[in-house]
Amino acid sequence: QVQLQESGPGLVKPSETLSLTCTVSGGSISSYYWSWIRQPPGKGLEWIGYIYTTGSTNYNPSLKSRVTMSVDTSKNQFSLKLSSVTAADTAVYYCARLSGWDLPNWGQGTLVTVSS
Amino acid sequence: QSALTQPRSVSGSPGQSVTISCTGTSSDVGFYNFVAWYQQLPGKAPKLLIYGVSERPSGVPDRFSGSKSGNTASLTISGLQAEDEADYYCCSYAGSSSVLFGGGTKLTVL
Repeated sequence: QVQLQESGPGLVKPSETLSLTCTVSGGSISSYYWSWIRQPPGKGLEWIGYIYTTGSTNYNPSLKSRVTMSVDTSKNQFSLKLSSVTAADTAVYYCARLSGWDLPNWGQGTLVTVSS
Repeated sequence: QSALTQPRSVSGSPGQSVTISCTGTSSDVGFYNFVAWYQQLPGKAPKLLIYGVSERPSGVPDRFSGSKSGNTASLTISGLQAEDEADYYCCSYAGSSSVLFGGGTKLTVL
């Protein structure tokens, strides 16, 4: 069973770039689609986008101008960068495997707070 | 693209059945049979409960069932148990390689 683990700074200053990495274990990252989803405290889930292991991406239109995803198959990792963050970007960020249009495997999530 | 519409909360007693609705549009829920439901226990990551409108992943009890009519999908939980108390989210493919989530429904087991 594939397992995912998010890592990265828990605190980011306003206007800076949020950077997170998801490490996949228990299977190869290759030939699968991988996603990022976020959840502001006390609120619902928001789709950020996905990346395929060739590097092909698709982002939520509402975040597209600020999002960059990348993949490193040699490390079995994929990453998220979100630029020009504000307090509204404070959320638990989840990485997940995308199968069809479903998310059968999730990381435990990591809280990122945007504050000076 | 707006989030799918779910009731903020539902409740039921142990043993009863509850149904959670998820209303979208003819461009997402109504057009594609790619509706999923996720269960999120407090402090945990979401867990896939239903995919493809009504399919259950291995290990999900058959007390959980999904359906769709027009632009509205539904999750029904029968034989309600205390451990079913959680937040439930619907999710639909919305075309152009995009996905929409519902706002979430808090299920309280009385």
